Formats: sequence, C-alpha cells, structure tokens
Amino acid sequence: GENVEQHPSTLSVQEGDSAVIKCTYSDSASNYFPWYKQELGKGPQLIIDIRSNVGEKKDQRIAVTLNKTAKHFSLHITETQPEDSAVYFCAASGGGSYIPTFGRGTSLIVHP
Amino acid sequence: NAGVTQTPKFQVLKTGQSMTLQCAQDMNHEYMSWYRQDPGMGLRLIHYSVGAGITDQGEVPNGYNVSRSTTEDFPLRLLSAAPSQTSVYFCASTPEGWETQYFGPGTRLLVL
Repeated sequence: GENVEQHPSTLSVQEGDSAVIKCTYSDSASNYFPWYKQELGKGPQLIIDIRSNVGEKKDQRIAVTLNKTAKHFSLHITETQPEDSAVYFCAASGGGSYIPTFGRGTSLIVHP
Repeated sequence: NAGVTQTPKFQVLKTGQSMTLQCAQDMNHEYMSWYRQDPGMGLRLIHYSVGAGITDQGEVPNGYNVSRSTTEDFPLRLLSAAPSQTSVYFCASTPEGWETQYFGPGTRLLVL
C-alpha cells in the first residue's frame, strides 16, 4: 500500500519567515495530494491540493509543489503569521480510486 | 449547513464499557470515514463507508464496529473499551471518491 513520510515533525519560525513542509510518497499511481490544517481543538480542514498533472499551485501565501519523478510534494507558506500556527497534514491518494494515506503531521509554531 | 457533527465532544469510559460515537453530515455526501488521531501517528483510518449499507475496514479496525443505515449517519461503536483506545476520533465525509474530506470537530475519548 501507499506510504507517506512527512518532515519535519515540528517547525518553529519567526513571524514573517517562510515555512516549508515536505512529504514523500511510495505509490507512483497516486495522483491527488491534499494538505490539511488542524487548529487546536478542531478537525483538519483542507487548505490546498494538487493533482499529478500540475507541478505547482498557489493560493495567496500558500503554495504546493509536486515532483512526480522523485515522488515528493511540499507545502510552502510565505510571510508566516501567528495564526498559521497549527498542525499540517499531507496526504496522497488515487483520486476517486483509493483511500488517502496521511502523513504523521507537522506542528508549525510561528513566534510573534 | 452544519457540515459534519460529532457527539459527544468528550467521554470518559472504564475498561470493558461500550459506547457509540455519533457522526452525522447534512451535505448528502456518499463517502464517510472514521479516523483516530494519536500523538505522532497522524490520522489512521478505522472504518469507512462508500454509501448506505456499505462499510469496510480501514487500517486499524479491531475493537470497533460501524453501520451505515442512512446517508447522513455513520456511528462508531466501541464494543469493549480498552486503554489503547484512548484517542481523539474524527469523522469525515467526502462528496464522492477520495478527494476533499470534510472533518468533524472530533470526540476526545479517555479509557481508564
């Protein structure tokens, strides 16, 4: 089955810095890669996703890049703010065909 | 729309007790799933359903039971609670396939 590795497990940055979280996956058939943000005491919420026919996707301060050859994808957050502090999860799935596998999560701490 | 709702928010059980965690969604989503979240372990799939009357096991199904009699509801039953089932449980729904998942707020369970 699919295996998703996520690094780092904890990331501490100063407000205004950039943050990068990386995930690798094992199944070359995976074609859908979402990122979820989980604020304290809440359920995860989708913040951005990318499909395998796209190399990069941006939404304001967040972006996701995908390298299909190397089987890894990354979340980039620019100009971090304290409200970006949360746990971030990556996942990989075959779109409609099979169940997503989640990474173990990254706790992002943004210091004011 | 209320989205995905879960009850209770918090529960304490004694070893051997049984209970049902409730999950409901009002978005008419076909796919529903249950995850448990443990520190450093990410989100692990317990059971899932691709429609009313259809359920299947996920990664960690032992000790849990599910049923799906309606599109809206997907309860998770703990048959005989064990301390290893202490965790935070999330229910999620998806319109179709396994792309964007909408998570509930979670149920925090403590088994003594």
